[in-house]
Amino acid sequence: GESVGLHLPTLSVQEGDNSIINCAYSNSASDYFIWYKQESGKGPQFIIDIRSNMDKRQGQRVTVLLNKTVKHLSLQIAATQPGDSAVYFCAENEGTYKYIFGTGTRLKVLA
Amino acid sequence: NAGVTQTPKFRVLKTGQSMTLLCAQDMNHEYMYWYRQDPGMGLRLIHYSVGEGTTAKGEVPDGYNVSRLKKQNFLLGLESAAPSQTSVYFCASSYSMGRRRDTQYFGPGTRLTVL
Repeated sequence: GESVGLHLPTLSVQEGDNSIINCAYSNSASDYFIWYKQESGKGPQFIIDIRSNMDKRQGQRVTVLLNKTVKHLSLQIAATQPGDSAVYFCAENEGTYKYIFGTGTRLKVLA
Repeated sequence: NAGVTQTPKFRVLKTGQSMTLLCAQDMNHEYMYWYRQDPGMGLRLIHYSVGEGTTAKGEVPDGYNVSRLKKQNFLLGLESAAPSQTSVYFCASSYSMGRRRDTQYFGPGTRLTVL
């Protein structure tokens, strides 16, 4: 496969541990946020989203936390599995066509 | 239900050649987008469409044209390819945007190399 982000920050996590991936967003007017997972050679895949009227949202094994005060978003993955290895990036939107995408963090799951 | 599909998956062009990338979605989405993804950068919007017959420029439209003749298809054209257009191209679609924002669903990508 091809790696699109050759110099991405990398988070290495032991299988079974929890992972926390962070994202600093840029626009204080953004009120909708999405986390994507991108495996090598594939398109981004939606994981979870959150709107600005919430500060936490949970999915299956994933939790997104939003801190609007410091414009920070985090993705927590519980009991990380080998299949979670991928690039994760956040996106923000302020209600227009324009989404601002982060460059991503590479998650490596160690067996 | 195939979601969003893109053709071709890979392509190598020589400088000055032209080509068209095809995106198709079977989710009856109104909105479609073309992005490019380059190393060390987030996805950047090239063009988008809010419905059949309507297109608009995104962040990096120069050197590209688009058409949305059918609701399910969104074509991206390169009239005269340049090495700077070497990238991975992603198409996405969504049900809506704006006030009632909706998730974008992405295709698998087209890897384009311009020599």
